[in-house]
Amino acid sequence: GQQLNQSPQSMFIQEGEDVSMNCTSSSIFNTWLWYKQDPGEGPVLLIALYKAGELTSNGRLTAQFGITRKDSFLNISASIPSDVGIYFCAGQEWADMRFGAGTRLTVKP
Amino acid sequence: KAGVTQTPRYLIKTRGQQVTLSCSPISGHRSVSWYQQTPGQGLQFLFEYFSETQRNKGNFPGRFSGRQFSNSRSEMNVSTLELGDSALYLCASSRTAGGGFEQYFGPGTRLTVT
Repeated sequence: GQQLNQSPQSMFIQEGEDVSMNCTSSSIFNTWLWYKQDPGEGPVLLIALYKAGELTSNGRLTAQFGITRKDSFLNISASIPSDVGIYFCAGQEWADMRFGAGTRLTVKP
Repeated sequence: KAGVTQTPRYLIKTRGQQVTLSCSPISGHRSVSWYQQTPGQGLQFLFEYFSETQRNKGNFPGRFSGRQFSNSRSEMNVSTLELGDSALYLCASSRTAGGGFEQYFGPGTRLTVT
């Protein structure tokens, strides 16, 4: 199936700035997941969302499951250099699991 | 506790051959899922196993298969390799505990098909 539309593709920000990225789909999902991947490593699960409208935080990260079940966003507040990496969204509906192409985040000290 | 381990880490095969990749999950995790990651197609879900049964399957041809053993270790097999099968193959183990979902990925197996 078609992968998710994740934007932006890349971001260059200053340390301390807030970041926002989002994923949209033409299909509905019952679960949204956000991951971070560093070079040479597997993805790390950041946040899992299970309910439309749900807003969940994990430290400086906040993610929301869109009301339509077709979108989700991830915010990172007060970015730090170790936030550098590629962030992926994933939507899952039973056996159908799709990923966004990723947002590459660069943080300048 | 030990993380998810994948072996081998790197593999070079030629077209037409077959390959078997192995994944050892975190102790206590009964679900293992497999993913393919390529620069062109990104991350794609292959399949998920739970208690030795395939629970979900992505949109991949039958050349891609897997299995899970009673100790939750999993293997995936790709037969009749094609150049396009060159990719990073990731496995993840997971469980639902205390109302939350835990999932951990291994470092992946980098497969190159020549």
